[in-house]
Amino acid sequence: EAQVTQNPRYLITVTGKKLTVTCSQNMNHEYMSWYRQDPGLGLRQIYYSMNVEVTDKGDVPEGYKVSRKEKRNFPLILESPSPNQTSLYFCASSLSRTGELFFGEGSRLTVL
Amino acid sequence: AQRVTQPEKLLSVFKGAPVELKCNYSYSGSPELFWYVQYSRQRLQLLLRHISRESIKGFTADLNKGETSFHLKKPFAQEEDSAMYYCASLSGNKLTFGGGTRVLVKP
Repeated sequence: EAQVTQNPRYLITVTGKKLTVTCSQNMNHEYMSWYRQDPGLGLRQIYYSMNVEVTDKGDVPEGYKVSRKEKRNFPLILESPSPNQTSLYFCASSLSRTGELFFGEGSRLTVL
Repeated sequence: AQRVTQPEKLLSVFKGAPVELKCNYSYSGSPELFWYVQYSRQRLQLLLRHISRESIKGFTADLNKGETSFHLKKPFAQEEDSAMYYCASLSGNKLTFGGGTRVLVKP
């Protein structure tokens, strides 16, 4: 089944403890992106990647890192999480930057 | 930075009534605009895009460059239309979403 898979789906952690949220797609999509969803603010783009080894900042990149070493994977790294990074995170992919975005199920992160 | 505004956080309508979700964008170039929808317990998914000029599930959206709007409309709402709707604008390589509108269709 063609899909975008995120892990973990739920995570509670503490301030400063590095964590990684993985994202994998099996559709051979070139474009991948991370969003965070907060009440009243909709989805805000964190980082995106046009292809392997090509990444760029979105609107809210502070406190996050990404890498794209393989086409199918686009992990989101929080080196030193803080409580203001408590949010619902979505990974998405598309064939191209103008194509339909396919979303993962979301990862709910709580930073205490 | 481009901005997408959805002024209504919540729209509550009765089944069979028309529904219109407003969306305004700030991009001054030639925008590519989308509507995404998230039904309960489902993933966010594409509903329609302006370049397709198609009607999906009875919904249509017209791009009005003069008013920089891309409102989503359906003449007769159904209960299964209850969902969260997001307008989005593509500028360069960035897709910017609005804050979302929750639609509740009452029986």
